[in-house]
Amino acid sequence: EAQVTQNPRYLITVTGKKLTVTCSQNMNHEYMSWYRQDPGLGLRQIYYSMNVEVTDKGDVPEGYKVSRKEKRNFPLILESPSPNQTSLYFCATLAQGGYGYTFGSGTRLTVV
Amino acid sequence: GENVEQHPSTLSVQEGDSAVIKCTYSDSASNYFPWYKQELGKRPQLIIDIRSNVGEKKDQRIAVTLNKTAKHFSLHITETQPEDSAVYFCAAEELRGYSSASKIIFGSGTRLSIRP
Repeated sequence: EAQVTQNPRYLITVTGKKLTVTCSQNMNHEYMSWYRQDPGLGLRQIYYSMNVEVTDKGDVPEGYKVSRKEKRNFPLILESPSPNQTSLYFCATLAQGGYGYTFGSGTRLTVV
Repeated sequence: GENVEQHPSTLSVQEGDSAVIKCTYSDSASNYFPWYKQELGKRPQLIIDIRSNVGEKKDQRIAVTLNKTAKHFSLHITETQPEDSAVYFCAAEELRGYSSASKIIFGSGTRLSIRP
């Protein structure tokens, strides 16, 4: 079954404590992306990766890092989380041709 | 860059009635317009899409229309049912082929509620 798997689903952490949200896909897609979803703001792109070792900033990259060492994995790293990064995060992959994202199940992050 | 505006932000309709959600976009280079449905607590899922060389597309009770001149596109749901209750997102994308990044901009979402 084609899947985009995110972990963890829920995370509560304290300000400044580094964390990583993992994303893994089994669809052999080159393009992967991270979004955050906030009420009234829709889905905003944090970072994206066109292929292995190639990443670029999206619209709201501040405070985040990513890495793409292998095709299937695209972790999101918060080096020093702050309360304004409390949000619902989605990883997504895009099939070749660009027709429609497949989203992961989401990670609800709370930073206190 | 591209900007996508979506209206209304909330919509309540009687079961069986129709619902219409509208989006406008700013970049004339956008050529692909997907719609996503997000049920409560779940991930967004693609429900229908339209390319810029088509004016209308229909899939059972769901249809999307596109007016390239006016730069707006709409989602139409007929004979609404309780399971249509969800948040709907429109998006605009410039498909450039796989040699370049596809930039997808989402609207801010519409929360649709179906009243029994």
